Amino acid sequence: GAVVSQHPSWVICKSGTSVKIECRSLDFQATTMFWYRQFPKQSLMLMATSNEGSKATYEQGVEKDKFLINHASLTLSTLTVTSAHPEDSSFYICSARDLTTDSGTEAFFGQGTRLTVV
Amino acid sequence: GQNIDQPTEMTATEGAIVQINCTYQTSGFNGLFWYQQHAGEAPTFLSYNVLDGLEEKGRFSSFLSRSKGYSYLLLKELQMKDSASYLCAFMDSNYQLIWGAGTKLIIKP
Repeated sequence: GAVVSQHPSWVICKSGTSVKIECRSLDFQATTMFWYRQFPKQSLMLMATSNEGSKATYEQGVEKDKFLINHASLTLSTLTVTSAHPEDSSFYICSARDLTTDSGTEAFFGQGTRLTVV
Repeated sequence: GQNIDQPTEMTATEGAIVQINCTYQTSGFNGLFWYQQHAGEAPTFLSYNVLDGLEEKGRFSSFLSRSKGYSYLLLKELQMKDSASYLCAFMDSNYQLIWGAGTKLIIKP
């Protein structure tokens, strides 16, 4: 299947600082990127959906000013957690799809980023 | 409205067969997915069903009945490495994936 590279795999940051997570589709054009958060022993929670070149659509309850998403190209999307707090500590996963193709139904996932805010 | 439901946890024995069920309700449907997720890792794709029937892929098979809003994932010849969470998700009319909470499968020797 297609490859989605997410970086970093884990990060520890101080409370109040910002963290940027990158998600790259390596061998296909990701017209749509999804950002999920997963707390321990819970399922994926969709945070936002972004289409290349347009503003992200955030799920209810997700602060768009806190979780900045940029999808400037067909191969790169970034999630920036601004002014991080300990409650933002979680596993963040990106997923990329190319909805313009017949195979675009499958979601390819990045490796995930374990964020710990201390 | 939309909803999707699967059991929270199941236990099975190495070498045996286990069936994980998933039921869903939605007005728009574009297929159902099964993913495997090991603790601390991202999900990995297992199967996709958009038509009724059984899709077999090695030790794993997935079944779909659209009229009943029902799917199952069948795992044969269970191995210890199959211990993981199994997530079902359907794709709605907007091509959004709606995820179940996941079924934690525990394999015992």
